[in-house]
Amino acid sequence: EAAVTQSPRNKVAVTGGKVTLSCNQTNNHNNMYWYRQDTGHGLRLIHYSYGAGSTEKGDIPDGYKASRPSQENFSLILELATPSQTSVYFCASGDEAGGVYEQYFGPGTRLTVL
Amino acid sequence: GQQVQQSPPASLVLQEGENAELQCTYSTTLNSMQWFYQRPGGRLVSLLYSPSWAEQRGGRLTSSAASNESRSSLHISSSQITDSGTYLCAKLSGSFNKLTFGAGTRLAVCP
Repeated sequence: EAAVTQSPRNKVAVTGGKVTLSCNQTNNHNNMYWYRQDTGHGLRLIHYSYGAGSTEKGDIPDGYKASRPSQENFSLILELATPSQTSVYFCASGDEAGGVYEQYFGPGTRLTVL
Repeated sequence: GQQVQQSPPASLVLQEGENAELQCTYSTTLNSMQWFYQRPGGRLVSLLYSPSWAEQRGGRLTSSAASNESRSSLHISSSQITDSGTYLCAKLSGSFNKLTFGAGTRLAVCP
């Protein structure tokens, strides 16, 4: 089973503050992803990366930055947090093996911006 | 708008032992799809991955896709109380295998 961990698991931030969410995977997957989950929207892709040093915008990148300093680590950065960014954030890693591509998810980070 | 529509749209209640079929429809051509399970507050667990041409089976779960109809289904047979939770489908697309999710269906299995 793929191992994806996230930290912190819960975070309370103030409006205008900087927040960094971290993700680590030990599967040597090339691709990593950040999603947010809100009621009625399922999961929506914020940023993704196809390898160390790369970051790409997903479907809802505004207000977020990402950093992929190594194969194992992928961070999501909120430079100026806003209450609308209160959500549950999930990191995932994925790669193709034997013609099958699957993504494996971390446990999630619950972020509250006051 | 939402590119992936799930049905039942929000929630489904079953009696233990009943079968269920969840469906996803897509606004674009289907490539491959992945079904996930999530407990409240929990991580997503991959259930089945299905290329557009294949039926996949895993225990009491079966997924199938009809690319010409841009639709995929997850069939749960002989439901159990422990099946309760949220089921999400996601369409795989693009060169970096991005997932586009449906909003999810919350399943409650009652004794």
